[in-house]
Amino acid sequence: DVKVTQSSRYLVKRTGEKVFLECVQDMDHENMFWYRQDPGLGLRLIYFSYDVKMKEKGDIPEGYSVSREKKERFSLILESASTNQTSMYLCASSTGLVYSYEQYFGPGTRLTVT
Amino acid sequence: SQKIEQNSEALNIQEGKTATLTCNYTNYSPAYLQWYRQDPGRGPVFLLLIRENEKEKRKERLKVTFDTTLKQSLFHITASQPADSATYLCALGGQSGYSTLTFGKGTMLLVSP
Repeated sequence: DVKVTQSSRYLVKRTGEKVFLECVQDMDHENMFWYRQDPGLGLRLIYFSYDVKMKEKGDIPEGYSVSREKKERFSLILESASTNQTSMYLCASSTGLVYSYEQYFGPGTRLTVT
Repeated sequence: SQKIEQNSEALNIQEGKTATLTCNYTNYSPAYLQWYRQDPGRGPVFLLLIRENEKEKRKERLKVTFDTTLKQSLFHITASQPADSATYLCALGGQSGYSTLTFGKGTMLLVSP
């Protein structure tokens, strides 16, 4: 059974802290994605990666960075957390370069920044 | 500007009826469209993919249509059950050189016994 796991289900951090969210997939997928989901705004793409060490900005990359040192792992970094980054963060993976197949999502990390 | 519209109001139907959810888009030319189901506090789960050259796709009680002229997809659940209650998201893809998706905000479906 395919699996995408995220390091934490719930996280509480203080303003200004550096935050790491980890995502691991076991399907040997080329593509990995980080989204945030907020009420009324839906799912928005932050960053994605189509290969190891490759990364591309999504729709809302400001305040975030990513790292993909291994194919199965994709990390989202909040360099200096702010209260407006309180959100549900979802990681996903998929195969295929242009003509995508379905995305498999992790369970999400609910991050609260106080 | 680009827009994906799904009904923001919840759809309430009775068990056994057919639920029909709508996804309209403007200023997009997607090569394919996907539908996902999301339960509260969980990540979305893929349901169906339909490509631009396909008019209709079926999977068990699910049916999706894709009209690129109307810029609309319809998602049908026949013989709906209370377990079908969830939020349903449509997602457009195939526009950029990458396999990214742009998601609608979703429509909540509530099926009452």
